[in-house]
Amino acid sequence: GAGVSQSPSNKVTEKGKDVELRCDPISGHTALYWYRQSLGQGLEFLIYFQGNSAPDKSGLPSDRFSAERTGGSVSTLTIQRTQQEDSAVYLCASSLFGVESEQYFGPGTRLTVT
Amino acid sequence: AQSVTQPDIHITVSEGASLELRCNYSYGATPYLFWYVQSPGQGLQLLLKYFSGDTLVQGIKGFEAEFKRSQSSFNLRKPSVHWSDAAEYFCAVGGGSYIPTFGRGTSLIVHP
Repeated sequence: GAGVSQSPSNKVTEKGKDVELRCDPISGHTALYWYRQSLGQGLEFLIYFQGNSAPDKSGLPSDRFSAERTGGSVSTLTIQRTQQEDSAVYLCASSLFGVESEQYFGPGTRLTVT
Repeated sequence: AQSVTQPDIHITVSEGASLELRCNYSYGATPYLFWYVQSPGQGLQLLLKYFSGDTLVQGIKGFEAEFKRSQSSFNLRKPSVHWSDAAEYFCAVGGGSYIPTFGRGTSLIVHP
């Protein structure tokens, strides 16, 4: 079956512009995660959606970052007024159940802010 | 909450040699423990996980890991490394309702 997909695969934007990154999780997976991976760093947790519960936004680094998940499926991560330090690979993962479940990762979106 | 440390940023081994990647965690109760692998240009893939029970866990691609509560460790091992094992390896720890925390990763380099 289809895995987690993310689009675009690469995004180059100018400092100050807004960007939207999309994640299509595996069908039927109730949980969805966003992470940021910078060069030489581990995975930095950003936000977690589980079913109809309020998302866990504790990892969002600033109020320029937001995310939504529509209909319990597709998710969009929005970064407003991008800064150079936002340059990273943004990874999305989904899991069948909650935090104890295996996460299935997408290939990521590489964001470059010039 | 929890934390995880992967002490080795890079590990270099010869093809056919044995491998052990270290992972130390901090968590107040019995943790969930995971090892993921990220091959070049690929997304992360689960190698194995520990929740409870047998402390020696078998995973895919010939990997295994052992949970040692007394040492707060969950080291990943493989008896004979193949060139295709060259990748980035991430240990993650979770527990209860906490979202798993990932380590910084260990980059495995395999020499022919």
